[in-house]
Amino acid sequence: SQQGEEDPQALSIQEGENATMNCSYKTSINNLQWYRQNSGRGLVHLILIRSNEREKHSGRLRVTLDTSKKSSSLLITASRAADTASYFCATDETSGSRLTFGEGTQLTVNP
Amino acid sequence: EPEVTQTPSHQVTQMGQEVILRCVPISNHLYFYWYRQILGQKVEFLVSFYNNEISEKSEIFDDQFSVERPDGSNFTLKIRSTKLEDSAMYFCARGNLCYGYTFGSGTRLTVV
Repeated sequence: SQQGEEDPQALSIQEGENATMNCSYKTSINNLQWYRQNSGRGLVHLILIRSNEREKHSGRLRVTLDTSKKSSSLLITASRAADTASYFCATDETSGSRLTFGEGTQLTVNP
Repeated sequence: EPEVTQTPSHQVTQMGQEVILRCVPISNHLYFYWYRQILGQKVEFLVSFYNNEISEKSEIFDDQFSVERPDGSNFTLKIRSTKLEDSAMYFCARGNLCYGYTFGSGTRLTVV
């Protein structure tokens, strides 16, 4: 396994439903971030949760972090077709300055 | 705050040629990064640049690569003697690990 793995790899839901994506990692971290990427475009920072936080909200986004299980989840409530994108978690390891990205979850929200 | 601008948006180059990818972040930021994403794969760290020096580089960032901040605002990634496997999206980013990054829209490099 690699640092920052998401599951599921792909998720297809109907508009209005909630979408939950999970991320697992291996090393100690300072924080964990979630990014969104529309096809062929750049990465957009969504939310950052620090290692001493357990839950964070931003609009329709809710992120949880369980450092004992080395896992995080991203919940998008009341999804919209415009939420269709790839979602990546990225971890900031305590030992360096880089972000390590996961493989991503491709979310499709059907209208 | 203005976005990070990358140029060109798409570059096609012959194998063995040198390419320079450019990024215009905010000039008063100290931390800059280059990442790449091969089509269909995960985003990979290349190099971090702090206070005009490389602070960390990955195993991908070998002697073929170099970074510069030539005029205090532009931030460049040079790839010497490109190979087919260098074809990827290259993203510049600014920011820090405490608050998250702002990524540019990327340069799609195609080596033929």
